[in-house]
Amino acid sequence: KAGVTQTPRYLIKTRGQQVTLSCSPISGHRSVSWYQQTPGQGLQFLFEYFSETQRNKGNFPGRFSGRQFSNSRSEMNVSTLELGDSALYLCASSLRLGEETQYFGPGTRLLVL
Amino acid sequence: AQTVTQSQPEMSVQEAETVTLSCTYDTSESDYYLFWYKQPPSRQMILVIRQEAYKQQNATENRFSVNFQKAAKSFSLKISDSQLGDAAMYFCAYSGNNNDMRFGAGTRLTVKP
Repeated sequence: KAGVTQTPRYLIKTRGQQVTLSCSPISGHRSVSWYQQTPGQGLQFLFEYFSETQRNKGNFPGRFSGRQFSNSRSEMNVSTLELGDSALYLCASSLRLGEETQYFGPGTRLLVL
Repeated sequence: AQTVTQSQPEMSVQEAETVTLSCTYDTSESDYYLFWYKQPPSRQMILVIRQEAYKQQNATENRFSVNFQKAAKSFSLKISDSQLGDAAMYFCAYSGNNNDMRFGAGTRLTVKP
């Protein structure tokens, strides 16, 4: 089985712009979670989607949003980018909601200038 | 809120030797899962080992084993016969009822030839 894929792998944006990141889960996995990883804050949970619905949300401002499609693929969007949004964004998939083992993608590295 | 603490920012081990990485966590839940993830320089997070809290037996995966002390809320990772490819950041993670995974700050492991 192919693993979790994320596109694009690298992205450079300027302050005030918006960005959309994409994640394709492992085939058959229906739950997708997003994480932000920075040197200062470490790995932080953003949100989790299952059956096209957001099921869980971390402590991030409303500029961070996401969605999930019927094929379980997920996108996350960050609007009005700030310098502090520069990070590695990781997507992880699991079989179902409440399935504790998550499998991670390679991440998208976002740089905001 | 559940917190995960890794008190060793960096560790080093000689090739073929054994090293133990420490992790403690704080929770009031009785059912939860604990994980060790490895993140090599390539940035892909890889699941190393997982432990269900209700299981008394410590999990083992080849050269990787854990020492799970539920009462002490301790979950250490032992790597035996260390190999150069084991060099990476190691993250301890907790997943409980809310299903949002909490990560420790990580331990950078260096393997010396």
